[in-house]
Amino acid sequence: SQTIHQWPATLVQPVGSPLSLECTVEGTSNPNLYWYRQAAGRGLQLLFYSVGIGQISSEVPQNLSASRPQDRQFILSSKKLLLSDSGFYLCAGTSVEGPYYEQYFGPGTRLTVT
Amino acid sequence: AQSVTQLDSQVPVFEEAPVELRCNYSSSVSVYLFWYVQYPNQGLQLLLKYLSGSTLVKGINGFEAEFNKSQTSFHLRKPSVHISDTAEYFCAVSSGNTPLVFGKGTRLSVIA
Repeated sequence: SQTIHQWPATLVQPVGSPLSLECTVEGTSNPNLYWYRQAAGRGLQLLFYSVGIGQISSEVPQNLSASRPQDRQFILSSKKLLLSDSGFYLCAGTSVEGPYYEQYFGPGTRLTVT
Repeated sequence: AQSVTQLDSQVPVFEEAPVELRCNYSSSVSVYLFWYVQYPNQGLQLLLKYLSGSTLVKGINGFEAEFNKSQTSFHLRKPSVHISDTAEYFCAVSSGNTPLVFGKGTRLSVIA
């Protein structure tokens, strides 16, 4: 079965600092990968998704970016964090072994921008 | 475009009482439907899914959901809830190889 790893689990960063969140996938190959953000008291907002190495689709224009340097690695970055970037970031992937559209989620990263 | 509406943002219920969390979707094509559960500060865990076949779907932790195509609904039910069921529940829809579209979530609070 597929497992999604994320780190760090929590992060406190000052405004204007850079950001790098990493997501790796275990147990499947060539998955679709997704980054979601969950603000306090709100639902899930899809930020980026990727269907392959170097292929990134952005759903929401903002100061965040994503990259997929390897098949099972997905990175979320920012050059300068804003207060509004605080939230719970979730990485998800689809499994090619099971229903292709069923998403598995990582444990999340809690980001607080101060 | 697809959309999901979870009609209740919060649902308080007493322990051992039944619960229904409502979900309605909008889509112009055939859909696959999902319910996920999120415990505090954790990722989302799949509770159950409807892909095809029987409209009554059973999932983990005693939950079940019924797909109603005419009413475009996929309500989640449990006959008797436990304190441990306190969590956020998300309904989601997909038409296939596209990102899931999620509802805004329903916070279930089970009261002892």
